[in-house]
This record gives sequence, structure tokens and C-alpha cells, in this order.
Amino acid sequence: QKEVEQNSGPLSVPEGAIASLNCTYSDRGSQSFFWYRQYSGKSPELIMFIYSNGDKEDGRFTAQLNKASQYVSLLIRDSQPSDSATYLCAVVPGSSNTGKLIFGQGTTLQVKP
Amino acid sequence: GAVVSQHPSRVICKSGTSVKIECRSLDFQATTMFWYRQFPKQSLMLMATSNEGSKATYEQGVEKDKFLINHASLTLSTLTVTSAHPEDSSFYICLSRDSYGYTFGSGTRLTVV
Repeated sequence: QKEVEQNSGPLSVPEGAIASLNCTYSDRGSQSFFWYRQYSGKSPELIMFIYSNGDKEDGRFTAQLNKASQYVSLLIRDSQPSDSATYLCAVVPGSSNTGKLIFGQGTTLQVKP
Repeated sequence: GAVVSQHPSRVICKSGTSVKIECRSLDFQATTMFWYRQFPKQSLMLMATSNEGSKATYEQGVEKDKFLINHASLTLSTLTVTSAHPEDSSFYICLSRDSYGYTFGSGTRLTVV
């Protein structure tokens, strides 16, 4: 079982729709969760982080965390073509004493005009 | 915000030669530096973790004699790919961690011919 799993996609949504990206993790002790966006050939950009169960909203983005189900998701409202990218879920495992981030394989999002 | 300067951004080298990649934190002190490798259409795979003044900790399956990591100061960490081969061609990226969070370098595209 991979430490962090994502559906690689591609996930295709029309412009203006809500895109829902999902991630599961294996280490039940994990405490910190991050969503990054990566354009091809570029460094990942932080979208959001979440530490507590529930929802966290920032503009068009909402992160949702359910520790009991070991599940974290990212909702993108009013999706724009510029949102087309690969979205990476990252987790700090509970077993880590260095704070290392473990990344999922990423979900490719395509927003069609 | 925090900036990590990574150089070079692109490098082409001949098989058998060594390549050094530098990551400098410009306006903060990076207590921990993580080094990742990313093959095309794959996620970021953690190679090693380094702390200033101590030996790097390598992930399982990563050859420590091939990927030399030096974290000589709180603002500079280097990764040297020794005796590079075509299979080492990849995107290498550093990720710093300090008390405020995580900051990615801009990445290095290594091509070994």
C-alpha cells in the first residue's frame, strides 16, 4: 500500500464547474496535509495546508480532512482553464521526526473552456 | 516570502561525469533540506533528508555514494550526482523546512547523454 494515494486522472471538468480531487493516506498518525499545484516542468506551488478535521476555505479552494477515514480532498470552485495542472497531495507521516513530506502521484486536472 | 534559489535550472552532462546542484535559502535559515527526484509524469520521490552540520539520511533504495548531499550551512545545501548515467536523467528539486513552513527550490532538469 502506498503511503499517499491519488487517482492520476486526468480529471476533466468544464469551465466554471467544481473540481473535486481526492487523496488517501496510510499512516493514521499523520497530522499535516498539504495540497500543491504543479505545472509541467515547474516547481510545485502551495495551495493550502490543513491540520484539523473538517473544512478549510481559501478563495475558490476548500480543503477537507477526515482523519478517521484517512482522507483529504481539495475542491476547486468556478474552475478556470488556468487551473489545468497536476495537483499533488502531500502528507507528513506520523512516524516522521523530520517533517518530511510524502507525495501522492498527483491528479491531472483539465479544465475545458 | 521565503525563497530558495536552486541552480542550475538545467544541465546536460556526459555519462560518467558528476553534477552539483545547489540550493540556497536567501532570507531565512533552512534547518532541514529534503531532496526529491521526479521522473516524467510521476510524483516527487524523496531521496534524502539533510540537516545542517550532520550526515544526510537517505531513503531506502537511494545510493548514498552516488547522490552526495552536503548541508554545510543553514543557507546552503548541495546534491552531487556522481558518475551520472542516462537513467539519472530527471527533475531534481529541494524542499527546505524552517519554523515557518516549507519552501521549494525551482528545480533542476538533469539530462545525461
